Amino acid sequence: AQSVSQHNHHVILSEAASLELGCNYSYGGTVNLFWYVQYPGQHLQLLLKYFSGDPLVKGIKGFEAEFIKSKFSFNLRKPSVQWSDTAEYFCAVTPWGNNRLAFGKGNQVVVIP
Amino acid sequence: KAGVTQTPRYLIKTRGQQVTLSCSPISGHRSVSWYQQTPGQGLQFLFEYFSETQRNKGNFPGRFSGRQFSNSRSEMNVSTLELGDSALYLCASSLAGGGANEQFFGPGTRLTVL
Repeated sequence: AQSVSQHNHHVILSEAASLELGCNYSYGGTVNLFWYVQYPGQHLQLLLKYFSGDPLVKGIKGFEAEFIKSKFSFNLRKPSVQWSDTAEYFCAVTPWGNNRLAFGKGNQVVVIP
Repeated sequence: KAGVTQTPRYLIKTRGQQVTLSCSPISGHRSVSWYQQTPGQGLQFLFEYFSETQRNKGNFPGRFSGRQFSNSRSEMNVSTLELGDSALYLCASSLAGGGANEQFFGPGTRLTVL
């Protein structure tokens, strides 16, 4: 079964700072990769996804992620965060052809105005 | 287009009871998956239904079961509730079951077991 690792569970940073969240997965086959975000009091929303093609994917709200196959990584980045980016971020993976999402433990990100 | 809806939103039960949670997927979506979210274990996959058949199952005891109806609506049932079943139960739907699919999540049902 696939597994996902996210480090630095709690991240605190100031507005305008850059954000990078690491995600590593373990699975030998072709995978679909996702970043979901859960804002306070809201449900999980898709931030961005990678299925195939260009390994640099852009999502909503200025987020982007890079798939590095050799490192089994799918790191999330945002050059300049805003207070409204305060949320919990989850990396997730499914094997190709399968809807069974395996989630990382999440990163709680707090942006200080 | 309406999103994934889940009912009820909140539920309080006592140990030993059973509970049924309901999920209505986005119109046209045929795959419904269920996840349990707890502070300790995070988000864990329970099972997936596609065209009324369970297609994937996570590592949960048999007390957790589900089904899907012909209109793609799904229910999950937990029997003989334990304190550790207190969690947010999330439902997610997607268009099909295979290849590359994006799953859309509902707001969840918050279950508290006393």
